[in-house]
Order: sequence, then structure tokens, then C-alpha cells
Amino acid sequence: EVQLVESGGGLVQPGGSLRLSCAASGFTFSSYWMSWVRQAPGKGLEWVANIKQDGSEKYYVDSVKGRFTISRDNAKNSLYLQMNSLRAEDTAVYYCARDGYYYDSSGYQTPIDFDYWGQGTLVTVSS
Amino acid sequence: DIQMTQSPSSLSASVGDRVTITCRASQSISSYLNWYQQKPGKAPKLLIYAASSLQSGVPSRFSGSGSGTDFTLTISSLQPEDFATYYCQQSYSTPFGFTFGPGTKVDIK
Repeated sequence: EVQLVESGGGLVQPGGSLRLSCAASGFTFSSYWMSWVRQAPGKGLEWVANIKQDGSEKYYVDSVKGRFTISRDNAKNSLYLQMNSLRAEDTAVYYCARDGYYYDSSGYQTPIDFDYWGQGTLVTVSS
Repeated sequence: DIQMTQSPSSLSASVGDRVTITCRASQSISSYLNWYQQKPGKAPKLLIYAASSLQSGVPSRFSGSGSGTDFTLTISSLQPEDFATYYCQQSYSTPFGFTFGPGTKVDIK
């Protein structure tokens, strides 16, 4: 059974930092792109960042570029999100998600959807 | 950037009703469109991928259609457990970015 368990959320002051973790089990973690998706209170879903299987490619939504860093440790089956210079608008539940994929004509494993999600961890940025 | 819109933003329906939700992309996204269901306090769940493919384990009363810019999610006979918020999501921009629609809340009439 695929399981994703996030941790590390909490209350942090504006300008502060926080590191989220996601522990994966039930599948071959090193074979999948992984993503972070967030949801502000009462709002919709926003994709935040993703990372390729070997960590060689990482992409971010514009609003977090230069402040957030996604990383992974395949030996520990873990995904991370380092969040710096936090702002009030970063307040949200942060979900870890496994990216479903297909192989394109060149054999590149292309992420296409989010087929498994964790339960989320709440990050609150407030003074 | 590709923008996604959904209509309606909310709807009220009864058990057994046929429900249709529309999603529109700001540019053609071929069939790179997914649908998710989210219940209060829970993580989203993938229902439909690639516009019309049913995710494993999802009841067959859910179906998706469309390509290009216009897509629909249909629930053929609404069940009590289907009251939730539904989001569309484009993956045309993969792997550089993904965008969700604003959501459609389905509640009990």
C-alpha cells in the first residue's frame, strides 16, 4: 500500500524558515517524480514544486522561486521542502504527492498527474 | 501561463442526479487534463487522468471527456459519498508546472 506521511509543519514568524519532510513507503520511491502541493485555508489547490527521480531536475511555481528548495533522499525514501523567507501568504496545508507518469517517444518519464497524496501538514506564518 | 476555469463554482444536487462540471483552459492543452475529488479535511483523490481515463478503483459513474480547451466531468448518478469539491488540473506544461482550476463544490439540495 502506497503511503506518504508529511511532517514538520507548525507556526513560524514571517521571514522565518521551516523544513517539511515526507516519508514514502509501499512503492519504489526512487522511480517516481514527486511533488509538493499546497492549499491555503478555504482556498483551492496550488502546485508548489516537483523533483525528478534522481534529483537532477527541479521546478517551482513562480511565487516560491528563490525561497523554497525541494530535495529528496532516495536511500531514506524521503522528500523534503526547505522553506525560507516565509510570508503570510505561504500559510497552507502542504501535501506531498507522487507523480503518475507516462513515457514519451524519447523514453523520458513524463509526470502527468498526482496519483497518491499524503494527509498534509499545516504551515502557519504569523507573528 | 495556462489558466484554468471551472463552472459552476458550486451546485446543489440530489442523490441520483446526473451532474456535469465544466473546465476550460486558457489555451489548448490537448488531453492533458486530470480531475480530483476532495472531501473536507482530506487530501485530494485522483479520479480521471488524461481527460477520460478512469483511475483504478474509481466507480464507473464518474467519466471525463473533452480535448483542446473544453472538458467535462460527469457523475451519472450522484451518490451520498460524492458530495465534495472537484478540481481540474492541467499537465500540458509538464514537468515545468501544473495548474489547478478553482474548484466546484457539490452539495446536497
